[in-house]
Amino acid sequence: QVTLRESGPALVKPTQTLTLACTFSGFSLRTSGIFISWIRQPPGEALEWLALIDWGDHKYYNTSLKTRLTISKDTSKNQVVLTMTNMDPVDTATYYCARFNDNGDYFDYWGQGTLVTVSS
Amino acid sequence: QSALTQPASVSGSPGQPITISCTGTISDLGTYNLVSWYQQHPGKAPRLVIYEDSKRPSGVSNHFSGSKSGNTASLTISGLQAEDEADYYCCSYAGSSTWVFGGGTKVTVL
Repeated sequence: QVTLRESGPALVKPTQTLTLACTFSGFSLRTSGIFISWIRQPPGEALEWLALIDWGDHKYYNTSLKTRLTISKDTSKNQVVLTMTNMDPVDTATYYCARFNDNGDYFDYWGQGTLVTVSS
Repeated sequence: QSALTQPASVSGSPGQPITISCTGTISDLGTYNLVSWYQQHPGKAPRLVIYEDSKRPSGVSNHFSGSKSGNTASLTISGLQAEDEADYYCCSYAGSSTWVFGGGTKVTVL
């Protein structure tokens, strides 16, 4: 059974760095063809793709946010970590991690999401 | 990497068909047959309902169907049901290993 779960702070202050973890089970990031992505959704707004990492440690980022994002993986812990620097209130959103299937380019399994509020 | 364009809302009566459009550019929808669609109920994570423009994952009702022509993709829900009331998002590969979502469409069952 494939599951993903996001964890991290619910509240961060402006200018701080956000660190989120995605812990998954039911598959391994050592397996060729496995990708994990981060996607966010501000309250009442649309989904926005942020970043993606693959089994070979190749990393891909949203062009507009590239300078602020870092995605990494800890294969031994079955975790993918996203850091976002210089947080701003507009970054308030539910952050989702999702498994990406490149045999058709789609996000097939999603975590339940974690709401991050940026406020002083 | 501009968001794909979707109508803000679409409504229909139970049993009626509705279609949601998703318009992109030659750089995304117009080049790649890699559009996926997601259903999202309030407070829940998105759920895949269509991939590769028109393929349906196992377990997804066959009253969901997808198509694409040029720079526009469409999701059709035939025989609208109460449980279909949700937000729907399209997503496309946008080249250079990036992906873009649509602005979302709220489907209301009258």
